[in-house]
Amino acid sequence: NAGVTQTPKFQVLKTGQSMTLQCAQDMNHNSMYWYRQDPGMGLRLIYYSASEGTTDKGEVPNGYNVSRLNKREFSLRLESAAPSQTSVYFCASSEIVGNGYTFGSGTRLTVV
Amino acid sequence: AQSVTQLGSHVSVSEGALVLLRCNYSSSVPPYLFWYVQYPNQGLQLLLKYTTGATLVKGINGFEAEFKKSETSFHLTKPSAHMSDAAEYFCAVSDPGTYKYIFGTGTRLKVLA
Repeated sequence: NAGVTQTPKFQVLKTGQSMTLQCAQDMNHNSMYWYRQDPGMGLRLIYYSASEGTTDKGEVPNGYNVSRLNKREFSLRLESAAPSQTSVYFCASSEIVGNGYTFGSGTRLTVV
Repeated sequence: AQSVTQLGSHVSVSEGALVLLRCNYSSSVPPYLFWYVQYPNQGLQLLLKYTTGATLVKGINGFEAEFKKSETSFHLTKPSAHMSDAAEYFCAVSDPGTYKYIFGTGTRLKVLA
């Protein structure tokens, strides 16, 4: 089925460990996004990629890096995980601004 | 900078009653406006959107929203709540001149039998 695929769905990390969250979309969308969702805070933008070859910081980029590998794939890396990065992470994609986002099902990350 | 305010982090309604979830935005430039629904342990699903044209927008599952420029509001309504409507609802607006959306903090809807 067409959509946004995120892997893994669940992950537990120890403080200081690194990991990469993967996201792929098969809708030929130009723009891709990474959000984190925390209780009472809604969704906050971490990084986004308006088009292949470009990336920009969002509201809460500290502690994260991203790679727009190609038009389909946009990965999020935590170099040294901290407990404050415990969250649910969502990847989204969009063809044009007015169409809305298509979201993945999320990655639930716990840092202990 | 654009901001979004959702009044009421929790709303409870009886089954069959009117659902009203409130959303206000800050931009003086009419943005694109969206409502998303999130069921437990799932991603967000687009309910409806306003871009241009008719200010009353109909979405899925019987929901609708009205864009009121003078009130900078985009409230979500449904005439008769169903148990299956229990979920968290997010209002989002486009950030003018960017590719980004700004999300509200969400309203969790509880439907009472």
